[in-house]
Amino acid sequence: GENVEQHPSTLSVQEGDSAVIKCTYSDSASNYFPWYKQELGKRPQLIIDIRSNVGEKKDQRIAVTLNKTAKHFSLHITETQPEDSAVYFCAASDMRFGAGTRLTVKP
Amino acid sequence: EAGVAQSPRYKIIEKRQSVAFWCNPISGHATLYWYQQILGQGPKLLIQFQNNGVVDDSQLPKDRFSAERLKGVDSTLKIQPAKLEDSAVYLCASSLTYGGTDTQYFGPGTRLTVL
Repeated sequence: GENVEQHPSTLSVQEGDSAVIKCTYSDSASNYFPWYKQELGKRPQLIIDIRSNVGEKKDQRIAVTLNKTAKHFSLHITETQPEDSAVYFCAASDMRFGAGTRLTVKP
Repeated sequence: EAGVAQSPRYKIIEKRQSVAFWCNPISGHATLYWYQQILGQGPKLLIQFQNNGVVDDSQLPKDRFSAERLKGVDSTLKIQPAKLEDSAVYLCASSLTYGGTDTQYFGPGTRLTVL
């Protein structure tokens, strides 16, 4: 099955700064890459996804980039706000998840 | 549209006991997933069904875990006998089609504590 690695495991930024989380995957056949946000005690919620036929996708303050050659994809959050604080997970097509990144946005 | 339903929401058992979880996916969703999420870790895929057939159960500890999806709708996950390390949240998710390119919708999860 797919092996998804995610970095960093924790990330602390000041409000208004940008945050970047990176994931690498092993299966070159993977063609769908979702990102989830999970708040404490709640279920994972999809925040953005990208398919392999595009290199970048943006939704307001959130963007995802994909490099299929290098087999990595990244989540970019701009103008971070305290409510962005949560654990973020990446996943690949066969629904293997990364280990998660705990993002803390300091006011 | 109703979401993914799971029950019970919480369960406390002693080791070596048995436990079962139930999931009802979104109506019409062909693919159903069971995940185990241990505190502080990412969800670990246990089993994936397409309709009533198993697509991937490579990470399911088959000596103690079993799952079924009769009639291709709702599903049950069973643990028998439970161990301390099975304490986790068990998440069910569903997606419209198979192929790993559709949005997954997660249920609220069942929090299992094994004493």
